[in-house]
Amino acid sequence: DAGVTQTPRHEVAEKGQTIILKCEPVSGHNDLFWYRQTKIQGLELLSYFRSKSLMEDGGAFKDRFKAEMLNSSFSTLKIQPTEPKDSAVYLCASSFRGNTEVFFGKGTRLTVV
Amino acid sequence: AQSVTQPDARVTVSEGASLQLRCKYSYSGTPYLFWYVQYPRQGLQLLLKYYSGDPVVQGVNGFEAEFSKSNSSFHLRKASVHWSDSAVYFCVLSAPGYQNFYFGKGTSLTVIP
Repeated sequence: DAGVTQTPRHEVAEKGQTIILKCEPVSGHNDLFWYRQTKIQGLELLSYFRSKSLMEDGGAFKDRFKAEMLNSSFSTLKIQPTEPKDSAVYLCASSFRGNTEVFFGKGTRLTVV
Repeated sequence: AQSVTQPDARVTVSEGASLQLRCKYSYSGTPYLFWYVQYPRQGLQLLLKYYSGDPVVQGVNGFEAEFSKSNSSFHLRKASVHWSDSAVYFCVLSAPGYQNFYFGKGTSLTVIP
């Protein structure tokens, strides 16, 4: 059974560019999460979907971050425009339903120069 | 408000020694608690979980954790560490009835030969 798949694994963007990160959750999972991970802040929730509906959009990230879930097996995270402070690892995760075990992808390491 | 504190940012132990990684949580009820491990350039992987019942839960690779409601703690233990246990460990809380997960900042474990 495939886990959570994230592409690309690495992304380098110039300041001001638009980038799109992709995520395929575990088949059959209803909940999908996007997190940003940095050494200083740890894991911060960017977006949370339940059955494709956006439940939470991580307040402080609303401006330039937009997550979408076009179908139950695919989600994207768009950052527009990118800034150097966006350099981080972006993790996608899914779970069958709330409170149960969350499965994580390997992450996309974004570097904005 | 819910929160998780891992008071030790870094822990170093010798191979073969015992290990305890500390986790304290803030939540008024009985939470769901998890320990995840993150190896370099990987996503987070579940070590063990606690929902209810026996306060000592067993996980993979010889890890166990003990839930204490009176101390609001969920410490992770291992009797004898191996060099391959070097990684970052995250304590995670989920509140029953809520969808979000609350992550500690992580404890970086280094096992020296």
